[in-house]
Amino acid sequence: ELKVEQNPLFLSMQEGKNYTIYCNYSTTSDRLYWYRQDPGKSLESLFVLLSNGAVKQEGRLMASLDTKARLSTLHITAAVHDLSATYFCAVDMFSLTGGGNKLTFGTGTQLKVEL
Amino acid sequence: SQTIHQWPATLVQPVGSPLSLECTVEGTSNPNLYWYRQAAGRGLQLLFYSVGIGQISSEVPQNLSASRPQDRQFILSSKKLLLSDSGFYLCAWSVPSYGTNYGYTFGSGTRLTVV
Repeated sequence: ELKVEQNPLFLSMQEGKNYTIYCNYSTTSDRLYWYRQDPGKSLESLFVLLSNGAVKQEGRLMASLDTKARLSTLHITAAVHDLSATYFCAVDMFSLTGGGNKLTFGTGTQLKVEL
Repeated sequence: SQTIHQWPATLVQPVGSPLSLECTVEGTSNPNLYWYRQAAGRGLQLLFYSVGIGQISSEVPQNLSASRPQDRQFILSSKKLLLSDSGFYLCAWSVPSYGTNYGYTFGSGTRLTVV
């Protein structure tokens, strides 16, 4: 059974600081997603990482994927208050029983950026 | 363009009452469809997914069922709701491509409160 772990679960940081969220998963997969969720809202897609060594950047967020280590990171550079949200990683796997792909989510990281 | 519709946005139901949540997708054909649930302050749990009409894969034994009567329609149901069914329900779709699929789009969600 695939397990996806994120750490930290909670992160409080000051504006202007850098930090990294880690996502470890237990089974080989070549696709990993990062999502953002604001309170009471649905998921907003941030990044899709499709291969080993993939790195994507959007604004102050940068995501990377190491499939050999089964690790993805979401790096925050010079945080601003608007980045406060919950961030989820999710691993995409094909299911032999169901015959289709499905996403398994990490536990989420609640990020609070203090003004 | 592809869109996903989910309704209602909020729902308050008494214990023991039935439930029907509907999700429809426009602008694509033969999508994979998914139902996720998020309990308060928790991560996302996959409940059901479907790779075609009438094909339902259940991930977790529970008080809910799903049906896919049409290609772009996915319904989540219960005959008798329990307090533990409360949560935020999200529908999602993806399009298989060459035996794999990437890119999952989530609906706006239904917040269900069982009282």
